[in-house]
Amino acid sequence: AQTVTQSQPEMSVQEAETVTLSCTYDTSESDYYLFWYKQPPSRQMILVIRQEAYKQQNATENRFSVNFQKAAKSFSLKISDSQLGDAAMYFCAYRSDDAGGTSYGKLTFGQGTILTVHP
Amino acid sequence: NAGVMQNPRHLVRRRGQEARLRCSPVKGHSHVYWYRQLPEEGLKFMVYLQKENIIDESGMPKERFSAEFPKEGPSILRIQQVVRGDSAAYFCASSARGFSNQPQHFGDGTRLSIL
Repeated sequence: AQTVTQSQPEMSVQEAETVTLSCTYDTSESDYYLFWYKQPPSRQMILVIRQEAYKQQNATENRFSVNFQKAAKSFSLKISDSQLGDAAMYFCAYRSDDAGGTSYGKLTFGQGTILTVHP
Repeated sequence: NAGVMQNPRHLVRRRGQEARLRCSPVKGHSHVYWYRQLPEEGLKFMVYLQKENIIDESGMPKERFSAEFPKEGPSILRIQQVVRGDSAAYFCASSARGFSNQPQHFGDGTRLSIL
């Protein structure tokens, strides 16, 4: 079974600065997807960024980028020019890409990292 | 809003009562996932359904919990004889396909509180 570990329960950053959230995962599969979700106090689950394991290029979405190290099974999220609205719980998630298999696309989440942004 | 709709947003039950949580997927989506988020924890998979079929219920407790996704109407997660430990946020997500690169669309969750 796959596991996802976020070793930083809490992180803080000054507004306009850069912060990196860590995520490691364990899998024996070669094809999969990795995600970062943001959960603000409203509890919505908002997809921040997605990475396909077969792609070597790191995904980027505006101020959000990832550092995907497949061999090390590491998937960190970098938030540049942090804004007050970035304050939230961030979850790293794993999803198998086993068409015809038995994972059925379910997501495996890490424990989450609470990000505080100081003005 | 064509997103995933969950209701109620908050549900309060006394121990021993039944809780019914509803999820209407994105229009056209026939795959539904239910996840549970206990306080201070990440989301944990419970069950995966396609229209009229339970495909994977490996994450759902064997006792008291059941789920359905009928041909017509929303998906229902039912918890019978609720206990304090059932207090959590329950999220539903839908997808056009069960295993593809399409992301799951999440609802806003139902927060279940057991008195």
